Amino acid sequence: DVKVTQSSRYLVKRTGEKVFLECVQDMDHENMFWYRQDPGLGLRLIYFSYDVKMKEKGDIPEGYSVSREKKERFSLILESASTNQTSMYLCASASGGSNQPQHFGDGTRLSIL
Amino acid sequence: GQSLEQPSEVTAVEGAIVQINCTYQTSGFYGLSWYQQHDGGAPTFLSYNALDGLEETGRFSSFLSRSDSYGYLLLQELQMKDSASYFCALPVAGRRALTFGSGTRLQVQP
Repeated sequence: DVKVTQSSRYLVKRTGEKVFLECVQDMDHENMFWYRQDPGLGLRLIYFSYDVKMKEKGDIPEGYSVSREKKERFSLILESASTNQTSMYLCASASGGSNQPQHFGDGTRLSIL
Repeated sequence: GQSLEQPSEVTAVEGAIVQINCTYQTSGFYGLSWYQQHDGGAPTFLSYNALDGLEETGRFSSFLSRSDSYGYLLLQELQMKDSASYFCALPVAGRRALTFGSGTRLQVQP
């Protein structure tokens, strides 16, 4: 079974802090994704990566950056956290093209105070 | 751009059949996927349709009509454990990413 592990289930940070969310997958997938999920808005794509050191902006990249130094690890960085970034963050991985299923982690519920 | 529309909530009774609709707008079509998410859980893949017609996987089926830009997820013999949110999703043109609908919350009642 594919395992996508997010480093924290719950996280509380303060406004202005630099926040790191980590995600690791164990199935050698080339594609990895970060989404945020808010009530009534579904899942919105922040950034994705299709190879080591490669990244592409999603629909809502403002205020975020990412890092992919190793194939199995994809990090989401909030450069200076703000209260409007309080949300559920979901990481996913997938192989091949966009017709392949995405495998999700359990999510990190991030609160910015 | 792309957009998907789904009803926000659907309620059905145990043992019944329910259909969750999804209409979409996209400049290039590369298939329609469905995901299930239980409260507090991770989304899990259910099905993918690239061609018109019905795809069946056990109690769940997914239908696609490309000419109508429409698809649906059909759940038969509903069980209480089917209470969850269901999302339709489109591949983003030229990318290996998905655009998700806002989700349909299914409540199964005894």
